Amino acid sequence: AQSVTQLGSHVSVSEGALVLLRCNYSSSVPPYLFWYVQYPNQGLQLLLKYTTGATLVKGINGFEAEFKKSETSFHLTKPSAHMSDAAEYFCAVSDQKGAQKLVFGQGTRLTINP
Amino acid sequence: DAGVIQSPRHEVTEMGQEVTLRCKPISGHNSLFWYRQTMMRGLELLIYFNNNVPIDDSGMPEDRFSAKMPNASFSTLKIQPSEPRDSAVYFCASSLELVSGTQYFGPGTRLLVL
Repeated sequence: AQSVTQLGSHVSVSEGALVLLRCNYSSSVPPYLFWYVQYPNQGLQLLLKYTTGATLVKGINGFEAEFKKSETSFHLTKPSAHMSDAAEYFCAVSDQKGAQKLVFGQGTRLTINP
Repeated sequence: DAGVIQSPRHEVTEMGQEVTLRCKPISGHNSLFWYRQTMMRGLELLIYFNNNVPIDDSGMPEDRFSAKMPNASFSTLKIQPSEPRDSAVYFCASSLELVSGTQYFGPGTRLLVL
């Protein structure tokens, strides 16, 4: 069975600082990996995804994530935080062998301090 | 373009009543997913359809829950009878590709069962 662990349910950074949200996954088969963002009272929006190929994936709003198979990680980063980045972020995994049954992590709430 | 449409956006009902949540996927998408989000359990996949056929309903909590997709543009999630522990935000998502396809989420239905 697949699983996702997001380290830190709350992360707080200053505006302009580096954003690092951690995600580790468990999968017995090659994974597809996703980061979604949820703004208050809204649905989830895809930030980026890794399927195959290049392990450094760039997404919307300046975010990127690197797939590291040896570490079973898919951490999300952004060089400079903006106030508008405040939201909840979800890491998710599905497997390449079957249909897209996403398993989500518990989420990390990102707060940006002015 | 219209995204995934869910109705109602908010629902307050009393224990024992029937609740029907509705979803209109993005036109042309052939996969549809129902999720439930709670503080305790996070985001859980309840059921998903491909080409209007239920593929995996292993996440449906119990027989009180049922889902249908009579055509490519409409799906319902029904709870009968409802219980207070069903209180959650229910999301519908649709995708063009079943494998590795990006899932587009609706705004959710916030259900409160008294």
